[in-house]
Amino acid sequence: DAGVIQSPRHEVTEMGQEVTLRCKPISGHNSLFWYRQTMMRGLELLIYFNNNVPIDDSGMPEDRFSAKMPNASFSTLKIQPSEPRDSAVYFCASSPRGENTEAFFGQGTRLTVV
Amino acid sequence: GQQLNQSPQSMFIQEGEDVSMNCTSSSIFNTWLWYKQEPGEGPVLLIALYKAGELTSNGRLTAQFGITRKDSFLNISASIPSDVGIYFCAGQNSNSGYALNFGKGTSLLVTP
Repeated sequence: DAGVIQSPRHEVTEMGQEVTLRCKPISGHNSLFWYRQTMMRGLELLIYFNNNVPIDDSGMPEDRFSAKMPNASFSTLKIQPSEPRDSAVYFCASSPRGENTEAFFGQGTRLTVV
Repeated sequence: GQQLNQSPQSMFIQEGEDVSMNCTSSSIFNTWLWYKQEPGEGPVLLIALYKAGELTSNGRLTAQFGITRKDSFLNISASIPSDVGIYFCAGQNSNSGYALNFGKGTSLLVTP
């Protein structure tokens, strides 16, 4: 299995621009998570989906952030407009169906907003 | 999210030494997981614990699910240079649904 695949690996953009991060979860996994990692705040959950439906988006910082999962094999996290404080590493993770199951992480997208 | 307190924040040890780190929470968790993250990579799952009191090993790694369900520890025996990285604990319960709450991590440095 190729694991969770994220793209791009690195993104540098100017403040005000739209940024779209992409994720392909592990085939057969029913839950998908978006996390953000910074030095100050560690790993923070932004949103998670179960069977392509958003379950909890309370971690999404502002209306500038939105996430979609149009099908079981693809999800996007969009920031519009981006701000320098959005600079972080964004991770996508997926896990099999049900409670008490492990999440498997992608390699992350390092976002820098200048 | 729910707060997980992980300690120590960092460790600097010599190759061959044993390492111990722990994680505590004010909340009860149904699952405890331990991850390792290396530079430029995502966290990789090391050990998963599902029952209070459970003790699980993975090679030189041993982790335990605390009997109160509010804590967990990870031990690494006979450390080697490739153990370098940041180790994260993560807890899961019904309050968080399927999502994991992470500790701030323990940064481990091993000198040859």
